[in-house]
Amino acid sequence: QQPVQSPQAVILREGEDAVINCSSSKALYSVHWYRQKHGEAPVFLMILLKGGEQKGHEKISASFNEKKQQSSLYLTASQLSYSGTYFCGTETGGKLTFGQGTILTVHP
Amino acid sequence: DAGITQSPRHKVTETGTPVTLRCHQTENHRYMYWYRQDPGHGLRLIHYSYGVKDTDKGEVSDGYSVSRSKTEDFLLTLESATSSQTSVYFCATGQGEGTQYFGPGTRLTVL
Repeated sequence: QQPVQSPQAVILREGEDAVINCSSSKALYSVHWYRQKHGEAPVFLMILLKGGEQKGHEKISASFNEKKQQSSLYLTASQLSYSGTYFCGTETGGKLTFGQGTILTVHP
Repeated sequence: DAGITQSPRHKVTETGTPVTLRCHQTENHRYMYWYRQDPGHGLRLIHYSYGVKDTDKGEVSDGYSVSRSKTEDFLLTLESATSSQTSVYFCATGQGEGTQYFGPGTRLTVL
């Protein structure tokens, strides 16, 4: 079953922070985060593994709460380059099931 | 960059015709995947392969078939294209439980 992302869209000014959430109705063993810019392929950001480990990428970090079956992506001091659609993916047996995406727009 | 190419990059075809999309990788990754991307649905898995001649269905496999005769190539065939198969198709590769690397995508329009 597809994980649910919230919010569906976020509009920010440069320097502002944002949080994107990803929830699943199934037990999670790992959560993947990808970013896709308009007209391009999705690009891997990070993997969160079972155990609540928090990973970071530039000023982007994420957390993973197994009990709540959810992950959150934190974008700190956003930059124009952060604009794009963010997808979470839940992994089972080598396959990813992606959420519907969150569109993030950063304005100057 | 995982060295993934897709061909063709754009295709317009008519309802009822067969269509084959090709994915080629140079990274020797064991797993290969085909996704379709439609507005509001994110990326949905069509079929995947976990080795040469080893394939399995994803969540939206009806109307699609795949073949993998070599590690580097993964073909997606629409046996009789329909307008509902108009979409952007992405190939991805990986080693299983880890990062997936996506190709540039193929935009398919079925008239």
